[in-house]
Amino acid sequence: EVQLVESGGGLVEPGGSLRLSCAASGFDFTGAWMTWVRQAPGKGLEWVGRIKAKTSGETTDYAAPVNGRFTISRDDSKNTLYLQMNSLKSEDTAVYYCTWYYYSYLDVWGKGTTVTVSS
Amino acid sequence: QSALTQPPSASGSPGQSVTISCTGSSGDVGGYNYVSWYQQYPGKAPKVMIYEVSKRPSGVPDRFSGSKSGNTASLTVSGLQAEDEADYYCGSYAGSNNYVFGSGTKVTVL
Repeated sequence: EVQLVESGGGLVEPGGSLRLSCAASGFDFTGAWMTWVRQAPGKGLEWVGRIKAKTSGETTDYAAPVNGRFTISRDDSKNTLYLQMNSLKSEDTAVYYCTWYYYSYLDVWGKGTTVTVSS
Repeated sequence: QSALTQPPSASGSPGQSVTISCTGSSGDVGGYNYVSWYQQYPGKAPKVMIYEVSKRPSGVPDRFSGSKSGNTASLTVSGLQAEDEADYYCGSYAGSNNYVFGSGTKVTVL
């Protein structure tokens, strides 16, 4: 079964840092392009960023609101995707989803992990 | 990158059809045949219903169909059923390795 399981969410103060993880199983993670998507409470979906497979250079791209503060990385030996979030702001409060970017669309989604930025 | 524009709500009676629009620009919807649609129930993760404008993943009922004209894509749900009541988001490749979602539409089955 194809599965993505996010973890690492929680409560963090403004200006703080948090690292999310996403454990993948049931598909060729090494060859997969992966993305992070977030959803603020009561709001719509927002693309956070994407990392390509190692064979495609493992390059990353980010949405403007998080560029320079968030970093996406992967450990193919552990089938795990990461999202390092620094300088967190209240507007980063959201459910964060890990997704498999299959060619042109987001094919598989995790259940999400909640990040709350508040003092 | 601004969100694609969707109507906040749409509704129909069981058995009827409902169509949701998704308007972007030549830099996203109009420039690529990479529009997809996602269904989301409250408190759940989204699920892809349509990809590459009009293709359905296996397991998605053929009541769901997609199309595109210029900078506007559309999702049509025919033969509405109670289980179709959900939020729907369009998404599109937006060039320069970016991706953009629509603002979302809440579909109500009357």
